[in-house]
Amino acid sequence: GAVVSQHPSWVICKSGTSVKIECRSLDFQATTMFWYRQFPKQSLMLMATSNEGSKATYEQGVEKDKFLINHASLTLSTLTVTSAHPEDSSFYICSAPRQGANTGELFFGEGSRLTVL
Amino acid sequence: GEDVEQSLFLSVREGDSSVINCTYTDSSSTYLYWYKQEPGAGLQLLTYIFSNMDMKQDQRLTVLLNKKDKHLSLRIADTQTGDSAIYFCAAQARYSGAGSYQLTFGKGTKLSVIP
Repeated sequence: GAVVSQHPSWVICKSGTSVKIECRSLDFQATTMFWYRQFPKQSLMLMATSNEGSKATYEQGVEKDKFLINHASLTLSTLTVTSAHPEDSSFYICSAPRQGANTGELFFGEGSRLTVL
Repeated sequence: GEDVEQSLFLSVREGDSSVINCTYTDSSSTYLYWYKQEPGAGLQLLTYIFSNMDMKQDQRLTVLLNKKDKHLSLRIADTQTGDSAIYFCAAQARYSGAGSYQLTFGKGTKLSVIP
């Protein structure tokens, strides 16, 4: 079964509203989680690294005030797209490293498709 | 930073072998990975290889690593229609702390299997 779960899988919202996406690690703790954005026919673009108990680390070019990340517990990270615009429409995916392994393996969530009207 | 390149499309007939190729730039990447993404879904780790290995076999999957040329390949034997998906090559990038690493992904190779 899935070890990282995202919710919601699909979300449609109006322009100007905010949308929250949750990423949960199931049965393991994740002090670090990664948030990616995937455009059609393109690879995953790392947006930010979510750190439990501290501020997220954003990649260059990613607006931290636009994409709010909160890693409130060892099993939950949230990404809030604030004041969403149609260009924010995308597939957002989170991942968490496999616990106890130094192989860098990541477990991925199922992804959340955001459509902003 | 690390750059990972792979061809975008591959089409094979059912039962044939598929070979997906990937090149990367950072020779210090300790692990290299292959992930599979089915339509509308997240990524699933298929296999990974440690940088001091040349080959790794796991059932129908064979990973070949040429560290000198920074070339990685994934061979799928007896390709089935259920193998149709996008396959991402990924390399370890920088350390993120707490035992985790960021990965750099290629753009993905869309494998189409013709019945």
